[in-house]
Amino acid sequence: ILNVEQSPQSLHVQEGDSTNFTCSFPSSNFYALHWYRWETAKSPEALFVMTLNGDEKKKGRISATLNTKEGYSYLYIKGSQPEDSATYLCARGGSNYKLTFGKGTLLTVNP
Amino acid sequence: NAGVTQTPKFQVLKTGQSMTLQCAQDMNHEYMSWYRQDPGMGLRLIHYSVGAGITDQGEVPNGYNVSRSTTEDFPLRLLSAAPSQTSVYFCASTRPGQGDTGELFFGEGSRLTVL
Repeated sequence: ILNVEQSPQSLHVQEGDSTNFTCSFPSSNFYALHWYRWETAKSPEALFVMTLNGDEKKKGRISATLNTKEGYSYLYIKGSQPEDSATYLCARGGSNYKLTFGKGTLLTVNP
Repeated sequence: NAGVTQTPKFQVLKTGQSMTLQCAQDMNHEYMSWYRQDPGMGLRLIHYSVGAGITDQGEVPNGYNVSRSTTEDFPLRLLSAAPSQTSVYFCASTRPGQGDTGELFFGEGSRLTVL
């Protein structure tokens, strides 16, 4: 089993702050890196899927970068809003679409 | 568009009972999978399927059985429930992409308690 580590475990920020989280993963036999957003009482929803070293993807105020050679990805949120409060999951993609998930980063944005 | 539908949403079982968690998707996805979510742990893969008639084990398959007779349905069977199987279960399907890059579409989850 390939371990995926996420940090920090939890994070409290004020509305308007920008923030970022880290996902670390084994760099060998890399297929893809996924980010999901998981709100309480809902199901996880995909934010990004990245495959190439140096990939940068953006969706509104959220963006992500990927370094496959050193095995890490950053997720950035610019100008956090209370509705951004959620658990952000990172997962390393393997063969046959099998994903290995990290434990997630719980973000709380205080108004 | 219903997406991925799981039933039941909640279930309480006694040790030794069997049950089936149902999962259906209407997106014509070839790939389907079952994960379990436990406190302090990431989602862990139980079983997965790459198409009708094809299933394989994931990280934590013991005590679970699956079948894939149609593209749409991927039920998860608990053969003899144990308290260690108390968890939240998520079914997911995957849109084919280039290589193995397909994002997962999740159901709403099924919370199972085994007494």
